[in-house]
Amino acid sequence: GQQVMQIPQYQHVQEGEDFTTYCNSSTTLSNIQWYKQRPGGHPVFLIQLVKSGEVKKQKRLTFQFGEAKKNSSLHITATQTTDVGTYFCAGNDYKLSFGAGTTVTVRA
Amino acid sequence: DAGVIQSPRHEVTEMGQEVTLRCKPISGHNSLFWYRQTMMRGLELLIYFNNNVPIDDSGMPEDRFSAKMPNASFSTLKIQPSEPRDSAVYFCASSSHSGGFTDTQYFGPGTRLTVL
Repeated sequence: GQQVMQIPQYQHVQEGEDFTTYCNSSTTLSNIQWYKQRPGGHPVFLIQLVKSGEVKKQKRLTFQFGEAKKNSSLHITATQTTDVGTYFCAGNDYKLSFGAGTTVTVRA
Repeated sequence: DAGVIQSPRHEVTEMGQEVTLRCKPISGHNSLFWYRQTMMRGLELLIYFNNNVPIDDSGMPEDRFSAKMPNASFSTLKIQPSEPRDSAVYFCASSSHSGGFTDTQYFGPGTRLTVL
């Protein structure tokens, strides 16, 4: 069945630095969604990518869908303390499969 | 919009007891999902309803787990009998798409279950 792998599992970032989290699927996806979960909270939808090679931006966040629609990335520039949390990708094949998430901590 | 409502927010019970978790999806949404989140296994889909009908329950761990959706505004997840390994945060999510997973899923605040 479909598996979605996400790396790294943990990301410790100095405030102001950039970082990227990667998501890889064992199967071709119809689309991919990204969610953010703050500590003690629930996953909140960030964005959905549908087209091959699609790139979308939300302020300091840049999301990319691979040409083969099997991988995706989230790049955050100039990390802020408000970026703390766990970022999940969720690959959509015949059902939504969540990656294990990248938990981000920020050093001020 | 009140969002997805779950109750209780916290539940502590003893092994062997029956546990019922409740969910009210966003009004107008016709897809409902139950997830379980643990440190070891991450976020797992347990069951998915569309128009109140269970579509995919392949994630339900075993017969001790059952889920119902008697109407469009209410769903329950029941564990009987509960075991310590069932301790987790259980999320309910809803979406408005009629065909599956292509729409945004809106998650409830979760129920933190502890089985002693």
